[in-house]
Amino acid sequence: SQWGEENLQALSIQEGEDVTMNCSYKTYTTVVQWYRQKSGKGPAQLILIRSNEREKRSGRLRATLDTSSQSSSLSITGTLATDTAVYFCAATSSGQKLVFGQGTILKVYL
Amino acid sequence: EAAVTQSPRNKVTVTGGNVTLSCRQTNSHNYMYWYRQDTGHGLRLIHYSYGAGNLQIGDVPDGYKATRTTQEDFFLLLELASPSQTSLYFCASSELRQGLTEVFFGKGTRLTVV
Repeated sequence: SQWGEENLQALSIQEGEDVTMNCSYKTYTTVVQWYRQKSGKGPAQLILIRSNEREKRSGRLRATLDTSSQSSSLSITGTLATDTAVYFCAATSSGQKLVFGQGTILKVYL
Repeated sequence: EAAVTQSPRNKVTVTGGNVTLSCRQTNSHNYMYWYRQDTGHGLRLIHYSYGAGNLQIGDVPDGYKATRTTQEDFFLLLELASPSQTSLYFCASSELRQGLTEVFFGKGTRLTVV
């Protein structure tokens, strides 16, 4: 696997709290993407961060990438109940092969 | 926004049956992908392609064939379906610019092999 040994994680937090999700990858990559998948839907891209960027922000989202440790994180500030979803990171390896991590199940309750 | 259309949305077949899942994207993206999604495994890459006539092997290709007939169309073939192939299948397309820029997913095909 191109990913670290990680099981599908589950987080349950209250609306308004901040949350950070992490992933680590094994293979060389120049781009890490984060996706959100809501129940019954396909994944939708949230944010893309390149190897020459340490941090990327988009609204309430903040992604970081540490190429030395081959890890990435996604933070959401001021979570909303509508942020409830499964979050995936994905990395591009040689030949534009796009591989997804196991994902984090996030439940935000009122 | 790019559109990726999968058909059928639901399919039930018997063990040993022949199934073809279809995917069409309308934005002339270079790359197209087939994934399966199972609880506890996330999205696993079956096959992908960077253009008509091209096919690349993914991480879980066994039991699957794929064919990219045109820039728009990518098919996934299960010639001897087995219950282990019961899954939710997603097709995706992307545009290549200095690495992948954005990936668009279809709504998925739920396949049940009985």
